[in-house]
Amino acid sequence: DQQVKQNSPSLSVQEGRISILNCDYTNSMFDYFLWYKKYPAEGPTFLISISSIKDKNEDGRFTVFLNKSAKHLSLHIVPSQPGDSAVYFCAASALNSGNTPLVFGKGTRLSVIA
Amino acid sequence: EAGVAQSPRYKIIEKRQSVAFWCNPISGHATLYWYQQILGQGPKLLIQFQNNGVVDDSQLPKDRFSAERLKGVDSTLKIQPAKLEDSAVYLCASSLVPGTYNSPLHFGNGTRLTVT
Repeated sequence: DQQVKQNSPSLSVQEGRISILNCDYTNSMFDYFLWYKKYPAEGPTFLISISSIKDKNEDGRFTVFLNKSAKHLSLHIVPSQPGDSAVYFCAASALNSGNTPLVFGKGTRLSVIA
Repeated sequence: EAGVAQSPRYKIIEKRQSVAFWCNPISGHATLYWYQQILGQGPKLLIQFQNNGVVDDSQLPKDRFSAERLKGVDSTLKIQPAKLEDSAVYLCASSLVPGTYNSPLHFGNGTRLTVT
């Protein structure tokens, strides 16, 4: 049973436009959500996170939105740059329910076209 | 600060052989994780250590996989004997304080294992 789902395996966006990556989860106990970025032959790098007490968190060009009722979160990158081309993983944990380990989605490959 | 160090970067072995991976976490990080990432999938937790004690190894195939973290710093993950389905990238990660909102996992670059 996949608890964290990223239904779009890939996404292509023009440089300068907005990239929107989506993630759905099924476990209502999840209260901590993270996005990781991964370049080829490197490990995932932490990008941004959000706790369930918020519905938005912003860090420069990156904004994460959380819709708890829909069990959905999204990562917005604006403006998109060629260096943003990577695989993005959504991850979730239940910190207030026994501190469960991070559960990752399968990832979305973003290609930013110059 | 230096990141999470892993070695080797690549390893090719035949099925039924054994293999070991090494990880050195970020200095001061008490929590260490081993993840397995199969091609096309997200990372999956194999084992989590807090200092030198095991916190969670529920998804570790204990008939063939073993891990240790002597002295609460470096860690090794071993597979014996390897199967074809063990082909994956093995990622080590560490965090400063587990179970808090401001302590994300920091990953190493991983070891890519190919079992033939």
